[in-house]
Amino acid sequence: AQSVTQPDIHITVSEGASLELRCNYSYGATPYLFWYVQSPGQGLQLLLKYFSGDTLVQGIKGFEAEFKRSQSSFNLRKPSVHWSDAAEYFCAVNLNFGNEKLTFGTGTRLTIIP
Amino acid sequence: KAGVTQTPRYLIKTRGQQVTLSCSPISGHRSVSWYQQTPGQGLQFLFEYFSETQRNKGNFPGRFSGRQFSNSRSEMNVSTLELGDSALYLCASSARQVMNTEAFFGQGTRLTVV
Repeated sequence: AQSVTQPDIHITVSEGASLELRCNYSYGATPYLFWYVQSPGQGLQLLLKYFSGDTLVQGIKGFEAEFKRSQSSFNLRKPSVHWSDAAEYFCAVNLNFGNEKLTFGTGTRLTIIP
Repeated sequence: KAGVTQTPRYLIKTRGQQVTLSCSPISGHRSVSWYQQTPGQGLQFLFEYFSETQRNKGNFPGRFSGRQFSNSRSEMNVSTLELGDSALYLCASSARQVMNTEAFFGQGTRLTVV
């Protein structure tokens, strides 16, 4: 079945440490790929996106993600986290141009400890 | 440029009532999509409207409906509310006719059904 998987429900990292959040998708073709962040009670903010081309994409707030076709993955990374990065992170895919439906993973809640 | 605006931010309704939520997209965006977010089901696509026409629909009962006006503003209606309809309802807008476009989300409407 077509799906988006975020295997880590909750991750805790120390402030200043590096971060990697995992995302895998299961589709026949390469979809458009996105990472969104959500603070409690708020909407979703787009961190970065991949449509085609360079497989390493840079986003806002110092985040980057790497698309690996062979692994059907689009993992989010940040070299040094800040306390303000504590939030929930969602990976999402869009299958077709002209079809705006996003399919989301279940999210990863990030906790930052001092 | 103003972002996606959703009103109201919070609603409390009684089981059996109906509710209407409003979404004003980013200026120039003609596609509006709606999502339901719950702790149990995560983020689920409800429907998308473009040029006043529903273009795509998720797997929700007919009690959930929507419409879009000529100025691209959209409303979502839920009739005969059930306790399980309590959720954060998110609206997203995008420039559907443009390649490689992303969705921008509003802050959401928190609906509580009692």
